Amino acid sequence: DTAVSQTPKYLVTQMGNDKSIKCEQNLGHDTMYWYKQDSKKFLKIMFSYNNKELIINETVPNRFSPKSPDKAHLNLHINSLELGDSAVYFCASSQARPTAGELFFGEGSRLTVL
Amino acid sequence: SQQGEEDPQALSIQEGENATMNCSYKTSINNLQWYRQNSGRGLVHLILIRSNEREKHSGRLRVTLDTSKKSSSLLITASRAADTASYFCATDTIQGAQKLVFGQGTRLTINP
Repeated sequence: DTAVSQTPKYLVTQMGNDKSIKCEQNLGHDTMYWYKQDSKKFLKIMFSYNNKELIINETVPNRFSPKSPDKAHLNLHINSLELGDSAVYFCASSQARPTAGELFFGEGSRLTVL
Repeated sequence: SQQGEEDPQALSIQEGENATMNCSYKTSINNLQWYRQNSGRGLVHLILIRSNEREKHSGRLRVTLDTSKKSSSLLITASRAADTASYFCATDTIQGAQKLVFGQGTRLTINP
């Protein structure tokens, strides 16, 4: 069983469209994250949820809206897609603790905006 | 600027040689972690070293941490072709608990 799974793996869409990426973890972790990896491999945190509560929101445009229906799921919805949104988006999870522990990553969702 | 920066950005060595990658960071940390990313895949956790630890081993991996210099190194001994990947350090800063900040990674190529 895949620990952290995200869908779709590839997403090609036109500018201005709205799209969603889904993530699920079966590790029983309390904390989930979205990271964005650009073409230079730089990995930047976008959001973090702990038990469905938003705890980190890193200066991300409000076109990006995460939603956590339960602690095992964290979805990412993107409105009005722009060329600069093209990247690989990674979902990750970890067990909540006072400090950041090991992150378990999904395989990534490659978004291409044309 | 980023919290963690890896050096070198790219490293190419022969199979069997040792590979050393370095990471420098700017602010005080709770722990530092190293991850591997194979091409087109997600990141995989390799090792975590806490701020009060100086060295840690895991199989062919050896990680050191020097908090006075705000730097860490990852040594892979007896490299194999399967070690070809990008390696990232990530810091859990004291100010930003539960937020791992990644560097840009070192692209390691092991030549057969």
